[in-house]
Amino acid sequence: TQLLEQSPQFLSIQEGENLTVYCNSSSVFSSLQWYRQEPGEGPVLLVTVVTGGEVKKLKRLTFQFGDARKDSSLHITAAQPGDTGLYLCAGLRAGSYQLTFGKGTKLSVIP
Amino acid sequence: GAGVSQSPSNKVTEKGKDVELRCDPISGHTALYWYRQSLGQGLEFLIYFQGNSAPDKSGLPSDRFSAERTGGSVSTLTIQRTQQEDSAVYLCASSPPSWDSGDNEQFFGPGTRLTVL
Repeated sequence: TQLLEQSPQFLSIQEGENLTVYCNSSSVFSSLQWYRQEPGEGPVLLVTVVTGGEVKKLKRLTFQFGDARKDSSLHITAAQPGDTGLYLCAGLRAGSYQLTFGKGTKLSVIP
Repeated sequence: GAGVSQSPSNKVTEKGKDVELRCDPISGHTALYWYRQSLGQGLEFLIYFQGNSAPDKSGLPSDRFSAERTGGSVSTLTIQRTQQEDSAVYLCASSPPSWDSGDNEQFFGPGTRLTVL
């Protein structure tokens, strides 16, 4: 059973389009992280959201943590080819050190 | 400063052979994690070290897998009698000792791509 479900698995869009990636769970997390991974490299942390309902912005990326802290979304405005990569969400349960990762969303932005 | 490094970057081995994968965490990071990433799968947790101790080995797939950490720094993941299903990218991550209201930022190395023929 996958604890964190990410959708879509694959996304191919034209440069300039907007997109949203979803990360859903039936479990409550104390915090949720989004990572971006490029081929041949390890994941790199983009953001951590901690409070239910929290919204964080990182340039053209907007991250939201659900009110119940069970889900999160990543919205990219005016996607650029440099946004291409694998986006992973990871949840941390209260009192735990172990991150639970989703399977990822592979994004391709076509020039 | 230097990030997490892993060696080798690629390893091709024959079924049945043993392999050792190495991780050098960021200096001063007390926590160290090993993950496995297979094609189409997310990151699968293998083992966690706090200092030289491994309080949680629950993610190790079988008794062919073992890991150690010495001096609170370098860690080695050993796979004995490798099988084809062990083929994957093995990622190492480390975390600093301070915890910030539930945050647990992990810094990842580039991984070792293991191919078992």
